[in-house]
Amino acid sequence: AQKITQTQPGMFVQEKEAVTLDCTYDTSDQSYGLFWYKQPSSGEMIFLIYQGSYDEQNATEGRYSLNFQKARKSANLVISASQLGDSAMYFCAMREGRNGGATNKLIFGTGTLLAVQP
Amino acid sequence: AAGVIQSPRHLIKEKRETATLKCYPIPRHDTVYWYQQGPGQDPQFLISFYEKMQSDKGSIPDRFSAQQFSDYHSELNMSSLELGDSALYFCASSSDNSPLHFGNGTRLTVT
Repeated sequence: AQKITQTQPGMFVQEKEAVTLDCTYDTSDQSYGLFWYKQPSSGEMIFLIYQGSYDEQNATEGRYSLNFQKARKSANLVISASQLGDSAMYFCAMREGRNGGATNKLIFGTGTLLAVQP
Repeated sequence: AAGVIQSPRHLIKEKRETATLKCYPIPRHDTVYWYQQGPGQDPQFLISFYEKMQSDKGSIPDRFSAQQFSDYHSELNMSSLELGDSALYFCASSSDNSPLHFGNGTRLTVT
């Protein structure tokens, strides 16, 4: 069964510094996708970045980058130049390949609460 | 760009009552998902629909049911509500292995 592990319940970072949020995963499937979502205190779930298992380059989206190490089964999120608005819960999630045409569900980790300090 | 629309945003019900949550996916998205997120918890998958047919089922209680209609909107029906059903309920949609896009959620409080 697939599993996502986020070992950091909470993290602090100074404004303008970079921070790495850890995520490891376990799957027996060869085709899978890894996602990061941000959930502010207001509750909405915001998609940040995606990495496919066959992608050779690490994904980047603005200040977000995904450090994908396939052999170690890790998909860490790096946020550069942290801003106060980055304070939120961050979830790592995984999806295995398509299931009979349907896009498979996401399985989430337990999340990391990031606090950006001025 | 159009997003996933959920209604209502907030809902307060008493124990043993019923509730219906609605979801309007992003146009042309063929898969709809329902998730439940308890306080301080990660989202838990409940059920999904692909082209109006149930495609996967997770930890959805027998008291809950869901369906997707011809216009692709989906409804989650919850009966005999319990205090433990108080949670944030998300609907999400996707297509062709695209990322799941979530609605803003319905916050259900059962008193």
